[in-house]
Amino acid sequence: DVKVTQSSRYLVKRTGEKVFLECVQDMDHENMFWYRQDPGLGLRLIYFSYDVKMKEKGDIPEGYSVSREKKERFSLILESASTNQTSMYLCASSFGFSGANVLTFGAGSRLTVL
Amino acid sequence: KQEVTQIPAALSVPEGENLVLNCSFTDSAIYNLQWFRQDPGKGLTSLLLIQSSQREQTSGRLNASLDKSSGRSTLYIAASQPGDSATYLCAAGGSYIPTFGRGTSLIVHP
Repeated sequence: DVKVTQSSRYLVKRTGEKVFLECVQDMDHENMFWYRQDPGLGLRLIYFSYDVKMKEKGDIPEGYSVSREKKERFSLILESASTNQTSMYLCASSFGFSGANVLTFGAGSRLTVL
Repeated sequence: KQEVTQIPAALSVPEGENLVLNCSFTDSAIYNLQWFRQDPGKGLTSLLLIQSSQREQTSGRLNASLDKSSGRSTLYIAASQPGDSATYLCAAGGSYIPTFGRGTSLIVHP
């Protein structure tokens, strides 16, 4: 089974801190995604990457950046955390470009910004 | 832009009932339709994926169908159990990026 591992399940940070959320997948998937999930708003795509060093903005990229230096790792960076970035962050990956590409999620990282 | 709607938003049923959860999408040019389960505070677990060329998929007590022409998918849960209580989300798969519905929150009470 594909495993998507998010390094931190719970984080508490202060306003203005730089925050790194790490995601690693172990099945050589090309595509990786970062979502945030908020009550009443559902899942919203922040960034996705379809290859090493490639990235595309999703629906809500403001205040975030990403890094994909290796195929298995996709990092989400909050350059200066703000309280409105308190949320559940979900990483996902999928293989290739086809109708058969199952999207596999990590367990999520719950970030609280004080 | 693809929009995905799930109805109902919440559902509470007694154990043993057969359930139908609905998912509709506005753009029928999809690659696949995927159903997920999410337990509180957890990530999403894939339940079933239907490719655009397929009509349905089954796994145990779960059956998902897809009608691209009408922009609809349904998830059928047979003989519901309290352990089925969770939020169920559908996602319509585009070229790279799936579009998610907001989910149906299901409670199955004993």
